[in-house]
Amino acid sequence: DQQVKQNSPSLSVQEGRISILNCDYTNSMFDYFLWYKKYPAEGPTFLISISSIKDKNEDGRFTVFLNKSAKHLSLHIVPSQPGDSAVYFCAARLAGAGSYQLTFGKGTKLSVIP
Amino acid sequence: DVKVTQSSRYLVKRTGEKVFLECVQDMDHENMFWYRQDPGLGLRLIYFSYDVKMKEKGDIPEGYSVSREKKERFSLILESASTNQTSMYLCASSSRDSRKNIQYFGAGTRLSVL
Repeated sequence: DQQVKQNSPSLSVQEGRISILNCDYTNSMFDYFLWYKKYPAEGPTFLISISSIKDKNEDGRFTVFLNKSAKHLSLHIVPSQPGDSAVYFCAARLAGAGSYQLTFGKGTKLSVIP
Repeated sequence: DVKVTQSSRYLVKRTGEKVFLECVQDMDHENMFWYRQDPGLGLRLIYFSYDVKMKEKGDIPEGYSVSREKKERFSLILESASTNQTSMYLCASSSRDSRKNIQYFGAGTRLSVL
């Protein structure tokens, strides 16, 4: 049973436009969400995170929005750049002491077209 | 700077061989993880460790074992490699501090079992 879902395997966006990557989750006990970016032949790198007590977190061109009632989060990249072309993974952590595992989505491949 | 180092970037082994994948982190992190990444399946957790000599099964532990004799080192062992274990293997580490529950990844080991 997939608890973190990224329903779009791929997304193409023109350079300079906004990229919106979506993620849905089913477990209401998740309390912390992260986005990772992965280039081919490299490990994922942490991008941005959000706690369940917030509905928005911003870091430069990257903003993550959380809608708890809909169990949905999204990553906005504005403006998109060719270097943003990568696979993006959404991940979630369960609430509770001693909870260290992350549950990952299957990823969305973003292509930013110059 | 955060550093997770995996001993090999590429590895080719034969069916039935015993395979060791090594991972070292220099951040004094308590938690370490082994994942495999396959196309269309995202990141799947094989094993993790939250302390020296401690280990927990992840989602897909069958065919694998792990060893954590020192805090900085976490090894993944394929007792008898099979072709369905051909994959990208990723090691990660994180702090036990829940405020810093970000996993940092190594560059990955691309394993081919022939």
